[in-house]
Amino acid sequence: EADIYQTPRYLVIGTGKKITLECSQTMGHDKMYWYQQDPGMELHLIHYSYGVNSTEKGDLSSESTVSRIRTEHFPLTLESARPSHTSQYLCASSLGGGSGANVLTFGAGSRLTVL
Amino acid sequence: AQRVTQPEKLLSVFKGAPVELKCNYSYSGSPELFWYVQYSRQRLQLLLRHISRESIKGFTADLNKGETSFHLKKPFAQEEDSAMYYCALSPISSGSARQLTFGSGTQLTVLP
Repeated sequence: EADIYQTPRYLVIGTGKKITLECSQTMGHDKMYWYQQDPGMELHLIHYSYGVNSTEKGDLSSESTVSRIRTEHFPLTLESARPSHTSQYLCASSLGGGSGANVLTFGAGSRLTVL
Repeated sequence: AQRVTQPEKLLSVFKGAPVELKCNYSYSGSPELFWYVQYSRQRLQLLLRHISRESIKGFTADLNKGETSFHLKKPFAQEEDSAMYYCALSPISSGSARQLTFGSGTQLTVLP
């Protein structure tokens, strides 16, 4: 079944640890995105990718990095986690163009807590 | 710069009552407007978009360019409508969701 998968769903780690949030989709979508979601706040785009080997930073500054080596895979990495990184991270994807390009399919999210 | 404002963080209505979730936007070009919804313990998902002019789960939303609004309405609220609702805007010519801007969301609670 076509879907978008995020792991882990929940992660509690100590300061200074390196973490990778995984995101994979079987939707056949070209474009993928990472959003940060905090309670009562807007969703903020932190990374996006138009396709393989194409990644750019979003509007919200983030110390995380991403890679897009395969179309279906878009992992997010924090080299040294800090308490300020505590948040919900949402991965999403959309079609390559046309009327569906603005319609996002979201993953279930990864809730990160840094102690 | 484009901006989406949802003035109500929390909204409570009784079952069977009409509900309106407000969304105002600022954008100088031609916008495409969306409503996304997140039910408890579920993913964020698209509810409706203005260009489709559909009614989804009894909800409708009309783009009012004069008032720069895209309010979400339902004549008779149901308990299962309780959720977080996000309004979002994108330039209509955008080829991706790169320029999609979300509001801060309204938590709707439908009371029995």
